[in-house]
Amino acid sequence: ETGVTQSPTHLIKTRGQQVTLRCSSQSGHNTVSWYQQALGQGPQFIFQYYREEENGRGNFPPRFSGLQFPNYSSELNVNALELDDSALYLCASGPAQGDTQYFGPGTRLTVL
Amino acid sequence: EDQVTQSPEALRLQEGESSSLNCSYTVSGLRGLFWYRQDPGKGPEFLFTLYSAGEEKEKERLKATLTKKESFLHITAPKPEDSATYLCAVQARSGSEKLVFGKGTKLTVNP
Repeated sequence: ETGVTQSPTHLIKTRGQQVTLRCSSQSGHNTVSWYQQALGQGPQFIFQYYREEENGRGNFPPRFSGLQFPNYSSELNVNALELDDSALYLCASGPAQGDTQYFGPGTRLTVL
Repeated sequence: EDQVTQSPEALRLQEGESSSLNCSYTVSGLRGLFWYRQDPGKGPEFLFTLYSAGEEKEKERLKATLTKKESFLHITAPKPEDSATYLCAVQARSGSEKLVFGKGTKLTVNP
Protein backbone atom coordinates (compact mmCIF):
# COMPACT_ATOMS: atom_id res chain seq x y z
CA GLU A 1 0.00 0.00 0.00
CA THR A 2 1.68 3.20 -1.21
CA GLY A 3 -0.76 5.74 0.19
CA VAL A 4 -1.30 7.16 -3.30
CA THR A 5 -4.92 7.12 -4.44
CA GLN A 6 -6.50 8.03 -7.77
CA SER A 7 -10.03 8.73 -8.92
CA PRO A 8 -12.01 7.69 -10.76
CA THR A 9 -10.98 4.08 -11.37
CA HIS A 10 -12.49 3.96 -14.83
CA LEU A 11 -13.81 6.65 -17.16
CA ILE A 12 -15.41 6.64 -20.61
CA LYS A 13 -15.43 9.82 -22.70
CA THR A 14 -16.09 10.70 -26.32
CA ARG A 15 -13.68 12.34 -28.72
CA GLY A 16 -13.44 16.13 -28.26
CA GLN A 17 -14.51 16.10 -24.62
CA GLN A 18 -12.44 17.25 -21.66
CA VAL A 19 -11.48 15.13 -18.64
CA THR A 20 -10.03 15.74 -15.16
CA LEU A 21 -8.26 12.96 -13.31
CA ARG A 22 -7.39 13.26 -9.62
CA CYS A 23 -4.61 12.01 -7.41
CA SER A 24 -4.01 12.15 -3.69
CA SER A 25 -0.36 11.78 -2.75
CA GLN A 26 1.07 10.36 0.44
CA SER A 27 1.37 13.00 3.16
CA GLY A 28 4.80 14.63 3.06
CA HIS A 29 5.41 13.84 -0.61
CA ASN A 30 6.26 17.10 -2.36
CA THR A 31 6.63 15.76 -5.89
CA VAL A 32 3.89 14.32 -8.07
CA SER A 33 4.36 12.96 -11.58
CA TRP A 34 1.83 11.81 -14.14
CA TYR A 35 2.40 9.03 -16.64
CA GLN A 36 0.40 7.61 -19.54
CA GLN A 37 0.58 3.85 -20.13
CA ALA A 38 -0.81 2.40 -23.35
CA LEU A 39 -1.62 -1.29 -23.49
CA GLY A 40 1.54 -3.41 -23.66
CA GLN A 41 3.84 -0.42 -23.21
CA GLY A 42 5.82 1.06 -20.36
CA PRO A 43 4.58 4.26 -18.71
CA GLN A 44 5.40 7.51 -20.56
CA PHE A 45 6.23 10.64 -18.55
CA ILE A 46 3.71 13.48 -18.98
CA PHE A 47 4.95 16.02 -16.40
CA GLN A 48 6.00 16.51 -12.81
CA TYR A 49 5.05 19.06 -10.17
CA TYR A 50 7.21 20.02 -7.21
CA ARG A 51 5.69 22.23 -4.54
CA GLU A 52 2.90 23.32 -6.90
CA GLU A 53 5.20 24.32 -9.78
CA GLU A 54 5.65 22.34 -13.01
CA ASN A 55 9.14 20.87 -12.85
CA GLY A 56 9.54 19.01 -16.14
CA ARG A 57 7.44 17.90 -19.06
CA GLY A 58 7.55 15.00 -21.51
CA ASN A 59 6.58 14.98 -25.17
CA PHE A 60 2.89 15.69 -24.66
CA PRO A 61 0.93 18.55 -26.26
CA PRO A 62 -0.33 21.56 -24.26
CA ARG A 63 -3.84 20.10 -24.08
CA PHE A 64 -2.39 17.97 -21.27
CA SER A 65 -2.17 20.23 -18.21
CA GLY A 66 -1.96 19.79 -14.48
CA LEU A 67 -2.23 21.32 -11.06
CA GLN A 68 -0.80 20.45 -7.67
CA PHE A 69 -2.44 21.70 -4.47
CA PRO A 70 -0.97 22.34 -0.99
CA ASN A 71 -2.97 19.45 0.50
CA TYR A 72 -0.97 16.82 -1.50
CA SER A 73 -3.70 16.45 -4.11
CA SER A 74 -3.22 17.01 -7.83
CA GLU A 75 -5.11 16.96 -11.13
CA LEU A 76 -4.41 15.98 -14.70
CA ASN A 77 -6.58 17.75 -17.26
CA VAL A 78 -6.85 16.67 -20.87
CA ASN A 79 -8.73 18.83 -23.39
CA ALA A 80 -10.02 17.91 -26.84
CA LEU A 81 -9.74 14.17 -26.21
CA GLU A 82 -8.50 11.98 -29.06
CA LEU A 83 -8.93 8.24 -29.53
CA ASP A 84 -5.19 7.72 -28.87
CA ASP A 85 -5.61 9.21 -25.39
CA SER A 86 -7.19 5.91 -24.31
CA ALA A 87 -4.75 4.53 -21.73
CA LEU A 88 -4.04 3.90 -18.06
CA TYR A 89 -3.10 7.19 -16.39
CA LEU A 90 -0.76 6.83 -13.44
CA CYS A 91 0.10 9.26 -10.71
CA ALA A 92 3.34 8.83 -8.75
CA SER A 93 4.55 10.74 -5.72
CA GLY A 94 7.83 11.01 -3.87
CA PRO A 95 9.22 12.79 -0.80
CA ALA A 96 11.60 15.03 -2.77
CA GLN A 97 13.22 15.45 -6.13
CA GLY A 98 15.35 12.47 -7.05
CA ASP A 99 13.65 10.14 -4.57
CA THR A 100 11.84 6.93 -5.42
CA GLN A 101 8.41 7.53 -6.94
CA TYR A 102 5.46 5.51 -5.62
CA PHE A 103 2.58 4.85 -7.97
CA GLY A 104 -1.16 4.90 -7.45
CA PRO A 105 -3.54 2.29 -8.89
CA GLY A 106 -4.24 4.33 -12.03
CA THR A 107 -7.30 5.59 -13.90
CA ARG A 108 -8.36 3.67 -17.01
CA LEU A 109 -9.55 6.22 -19.61
CA THR A 110 -11.41 5.04 -22.69
CA VAL A 111 -12.11 7.54 -25.48
CA LEU A 112 -14.82 6.53 -27.96
CA GLU B 1 18.07 10.35 -25.73
CA ASP B 2 17.69 8.15 -22.65
CA GLN B 3 16.55 4.64 -23.55
CA VAL B 4 15.67 1.38 -21.79
CA THR B 5 15.36 -2.04 -23.46
CA GLN B 6 14.08 -5.05 -21.56
CA SER B 7 14.44 -8.68 -22.55
CA PRO B 8 12.88 -11.08 -22.98
CA GLU B 9 9.44 -9.59 -23.69
CA ALA B 10 7.81 -12.64 -22.12
CA LEU B 11 9.12 -15.50 -20.01
CA ARG B 12 7.39 -18.68 -18.89
CA LEU B 13 8.90 -20.61 -15.98
CA GLN B 14 7.94 -23.66 -14.00
CA GLU B 15 7.60 -23.16 -10.27
CA GLY B 16 11.08 -23.41 -8.76
CA GLU B 17 12.89 -22.72 -12.06
CA SER B 18 15.26 -19.79 -11.48
CA SER B 19 15.98 -17.23 -14.21
CA SER B 20 17.01 -13.63 -14.90
CA LEU B 21 15.43 -10.63 -16.59
CA ASN B 22 17.61 -8.11 -18.41
CA CYS B 23 17.39 -4.31 -18.59
CA SER B 24 19.83 -2.53 -20.91
CA TYR B 25 20.00 1.22 -20.71
CA THR B 26 21.60 4.31 -22.16
CA VAL B 27 21.36 7.49 -20.11
CA SER B 28 23.26 10.74 -19.91
CA GLY B 29 24.49 10.27 -16.34
CA LEU B 30 22.57 7.77 -14.23
CA ARG B 31 20.92 9.06 -11.07
CA GLY B 32 19.06 5.83 -10.36
CA LEU B 33 17.72 2.63 -11.90
CA PHE B 34 14.36 1.40 -10.64
CA TRP B 35 12.59 -1.94 -10.78
CA TYR B 36 8.82 -2.14 -10.44
CA ARG B 37 6.34 -5.02 -10.55
CA GLN B 38 2.98 -4.45 -12.24
CA ASP B 39 -0.08 -6.69 -12.04
CA PRO B 40 -2.69 -6.43 -14.85
CA GLY B 41 -4.71 -3.22 -14.65
CA LYS B 42 -2.85 -2.02 -11.54
CA GLY B 43 -0.22 0.61 -10.85
CA PRO B 44 3.48 -0.34 -10.68
CA GLU B 45 4.68 -1.54 -7.29
CA PHE B 46 8.17 -0.39 -6.26
CA LEU B 47 10.77 -3.12 -5.80
CA PHE B 48 14.32 -1.68 -5.87
CA THR B 49 16.43 1.38 -6.55
CA LEU B 50 20.07 0.96 -7.63
CA TYR B 51 22.42 3.92 -7.84
CA SER B 52 25.87 2.73 -8.87
CA ALA B 53 27.59 -0.08 -10.76
CA GLY B 54 28.26 -3.10 -8.57
CA GLU B 55 25.32 -2.42 -6.29
CA GLU B 56 23.00 -5.34 -5.43
CA LYS B 57 19.69 -5.47 -3.55
CA GLU B 58 17.57 -8.42 -2.46
CA LYS B 59 13.99 -8.93 -1.42
CA GLU B 60 12.60 -12.41 -0.82
CA ARG B 61 13.15 -14.37 -4.07
CA LEU B 62 14.30 -11.30 -6.06
CA LYS B 63 17.79 -9.89 -6.43
CA ALA B 64 18.67 -6.87 -8.56
CA THR B 65 22.16 -6.07 -9.81
CA LEU B 66 23.59 -3.13 -11.75
CA THR B 67 26.48 -2.62 -14.17
CA LYS B 68 27.35 0.48 -16.20
CA LYS B 69 25.18 -0.67 -19.11
CA GLU B 70 22.59 -3.05 -17.75
CA SER B 71 20.69 -4.38 -14.77
CA PHE B 72 19.51 -7.89 -14.02
CA LEU B 73 16.58 -9.03 -11.94
CA HIS B 74 17.31 -12.54 -10.73
CA ILE B 75 14.37 -14.66 -9.61
CA THR B 76 15.26 -17.64 -7.45
CA ALA B 77 12.81 -20.55 -7.11
CA PRO B 78 9.83 -18.51 -8.33
CA LYS B 79 6.26 -19.18 -7.22
CA PRO B 80 3.04 -18.63 -9.22
CA GLU B 81 2.39 -15.43 -7.24
CA ASP B 82 5.55 -13.94 -8.81
CA SER B 83 3.69 -13.84 -12.14
CA ALA B 84 3.50 -10.19 -13.23
CA THR B 85 5.09 -7.70 -15.61
CA TYR B 86 8.43 -6.41 -14.36
CA LEU B 87 9.31 -2.86 -15.40
CA CYS B 88 12.75 -1.25 -15.41
CA ALA B 89 13.19 2.55 -15.45
CA VAL B 90 16.11 4.98 -15.35
CA GLN B 91 16.35 8.52 -14.10
CA ALA B 92 19.05 10.83 -15.44
CA ARG B 93 21.20 12.92 -13.15
CA SER B 94 20.58 16.14 -15.00
CA GLY B 95 17.41 17.90 -16.01
CA SER B 96 13.93 16.48 -15.56
CA GLU B 97 12.89 14.15 -12.79
CA LYS B 98 11.23 11.84 -15.30
CA LEU B 99 11.51 8.08 -15.23
CA VAL B 100 12.18 6.49 -18.63
CA PHE B 101 10.64 3.02 -18.69
CA GLY B 102 11.21 -0.07 -20.79
CA LYS B 103 8.25 -2.02 -22.13
CA GLY B 104 8.58 -4.63 -19.42
CA THR B 105 9.00 -8.40 -19.20
CA LYS B 106 5.84 -10.41 -18.66
CA LEU B 107 6.67 -13.30 -16.34
CA THR B 108 4.40 -16.31 -15.99
CA VAL B 109 5.21 -18.96 -13.38
CA ASN B 110 3.31 -22.20 -13.81
CA PRO B 111 2.62 -24.47 -10.80
